[in-house]
Amino acid sequence: SQTIHQWPATLVQPVGSPLSLECTVEGTSNPNLYWYRQAAGRGLQLLFYSVGIGQISSEVPQNLSASRPQDRQFILSSKKLLLSDSGFYLCAWSVRETGNPPLHFGNGTRLTVT
Amino acid sequence: TQLLEQSPQFLSIQEGENLTVYCNSSSVFSSLQWYRQEPGEGPVLLVTVVTGGEVKKLKRLTFQFGDARKDSSLHITAAQPGDTGLYLCAGRGAGSYQLTFGKGTKLSVIP
Repeated sequence: SQTIHQWPATLVQPVGSPLSLECTVEGTSNPNLYWYRQAAGRGLQLLFYSVGIGQISSEVPQNLSASRPQDRQFILSSKKLLLSDSGFYLCAWSVRETGNPPLHFGNGTRLTVT
Repeated sequence: TQLLEQSPQFLSIQEGENLTVYCNSSSVFSSLQWYRQEPGEGPVLLVTVVTGGEVKKLKRLTFQFGDARKDSSLHITAAQPGDTGLYLCAGRGAGSYQLTFGKGTKLSVIP
């Protein structure tokens, strides 16, 4: 069966510090990978998605970047965090097919920038 | 930009009551999905609807996709405390990998 791991679960970082959140998927190959941000228990904003190694699409101009160094690894980074980067970050994967594949989410990282 | 509006934003009801939440857009979607999210966890898929007018049932939950594929509803019969959570609708445009999410309806079912 497929699993998705996301860490850390919680993170408190000072303004101006760097960030690295990691997400890995097991049990599937060639997945589409996604990073979402959720504000205060509300809807999800798509930040980045990837259809393959090294292929990253950005949806929102911001202080963050993403990389996919391996097929099942997706990393969210920042060189200098802002207060507005606080939020709940969710990684997700889906099978790479046309149609209506569901998104499978990790359990998220609660980031607080102080 | 495709937007999904969900209503109500918050709903607090007694155990055993019925409820309906709505998901509306001015855009047409090729499919629409409903997810439920519990605090501190990621959303989990409940259902996917793809055909205009389609109705799907999942135990006490009934999902409907509008005829024009611009809106959807979720009806819960005899709500239970275990139904408590954030309900999110998400639409996918034709040929797109991307899902557009609504802001969700936060449901609390009081025992």
